[in-house]
Amino acid sequence: QTALTQPPSTSGTLGQRVTISCSGSVSNIGTNTVSWYQQLPGAAPKLLLYRNDQRPSGVPERFSASKSGTSASLAIRGLQSEDEANYHCAAWDDTLPGWVFGGGTNLTVL
Amino acid sequence: EVQLVQSGAEVRKPGESLQISCKASGYNFTGHSIAWVRQTPGKGLEYMGIIVPAYSHIRNSPSFQGRVTISVDKSTNTAYLHWTSLKASDTAIYYCARVDGFNTLYDAFDIWGQGTLITVSS
Repeated sequence: QTALTQPPSTSGTLGQRVTISCSGSVSNIGTNTVSWYQQLPGAAPKLLLYRNDQRPSGVPERFSASKSGTSASLAIRGLQSEDEANYHCAAWDDTLPGWVFGGGTNLTVL
Repeated sequence: EVQLVQSGAEVRKPGESLQISCKASGYNFTGHSIAWVRQTPGKGLEYMGIIVPAYSHIRNSPSFQGRVTISVDKSTNTAYLHWTSLKASDTAIYYCARVDGFNTLYDAFDIWGQGTLITVSS
């Protein structure tokens, strides 16, 4: 059982906009910032967004994220085939204390 | 180039010990914390623990406390993950990841190692 809850899978067609949710609690998302990671097949995770909605240099603007209360959301607009990957959310949890991850959402581009 | 390079895949028997490494380059090693993360097919990413190399301050996840030891060697800019007695359930890919921000535990993981596959089987 993971501390953050994500849908196991989602899909979208080329050019579509998709969103991935990440639900937590007061002790993690409710208090601390959320980061998102993209994991391409067979590769290590890569930082996609940090501090809730900040994009590292090199990450396309079509990737965005937001946070509200104890939930966060990743949005990908203009879906491309290379976006097919597993997406993970993460946040520090003050109760543990330590990092908690979501179970990951596998995105399929149809 | 800022990077973390991990040691290669390992195959061990249950009960054996093992240490894997994560060598940092391209940045001030003592300026950033290093976390270890486990990935198994059924459970996604799991946080194992974190170390602040500047002080060798370690915070272990309760789920892994007593099972693994995290350490660093500042002279070689290397972080380590050590098991004294492996179990079949330790079979997984293990990643090290750098925490962005100066000597903090709380910022995102901005650099990841390539991962080390550990297989434990009799």
